[in-house]
Amino acid sequence: TQLLEQSPQFLSIQEGENLTVYCNSSSVFSSLQWYRQEPGEGPVLLVTVVTGGEVKKLKRLTFQFGDARKDSSLHITAAQPGDTGLYLCAGSSGAGSYQLTFGKGTKLSVIP
Amino acid sequence: EAGVAQSPRYKIIEKRQSVAFWCNPISGHATLYWYQQILGQGPKLLIQFQNNGVVDDSQLPKDRFSAERLKGVDSTLKIQPAKLEDSAVYLCASSSRGSKGNEQFFGPGTRLTVL
Repeated sequence: TQLLEQSPQFLSIQEGENLTVYCNSSSVFSSLQWYRQEPGEGPVLLVTVVTGGEVKKLKRLTFQFGDARKDSSLHITAAQPGDTGLYLCAGSSGAGSYQLTFGKGTKLSVIP
Repeated sequence: EAGVAQSPRYKIIEKRQSVAFWCNPISGHATLYWYQQILGQGPKLLIQFQNNGVVDDSQLPKDRFSAERLKGVDSTLKIQPAKLEDSAVYLCASSSRGSKGNEQFFGPGTRLTVL
C-alpha cells in the first residue's frame, strides 16, 4: 500500500507570511497532484507534476516534485486569507492507472 | 461545462438504517470514483468504474456497501445497514480517459451523519 505523509497537519499564519507544506512517501509515483478543499466542497485540482525535479508556479504558489518522484512540496508566498483551506497531495502509481492515493492533508488558516 | 453533481448534500440517519447517494459525472467522462472522507483525513477510494464496469472495489466494505453504474453515466452508492463509523463525506469524482495526469473532478460531496 502506498502512503503519502503530509506535514504539518495544521498551520496557522498571519497574512503576508510565507509557508511550505510537504508531502512524502517511500514509494515512487508517476505523477503527483495537489488539491485544495474548502469546507463543504470537494477538492479542486491546483497542479499536476510528472517529472522528477519539476517546478511549477501558479501565481504565489510554487510546487516542486522531488528528483526521485517520492516527495513534493508546496510553497506559498505572501499568504492571503483566501488561501485558507485543506491542501491535499495525491499520487498516481503508474501509467494507465487512474487511481489516486491521497495524503491526510494540511489544514491552513491565514489570519488577516 | 457543468461539474459533477451529487445529492443529497446532507443526510442524517440512525444506525442500522439504509441510505443511498447519487452522482452525475461530467458529460463524457468514462471513469467515475466514489471516495469516503472521514473528518480530518484525506479521501479514501471506495470504488472505481470505467463506463459501467468495476475497475477496483478492493476497499469497498461489501458486506454493507454497494454501488452501481448501470448505464455508464449516473451512479448510486448504497449503505445497508449503516454503522456509526460510516459518518463521513462521500465524494464522487470523474475523469476523462487520457486526461493529463489523471485529473479528477470532484463533486461537492454528501455529508452523512449516522446517529
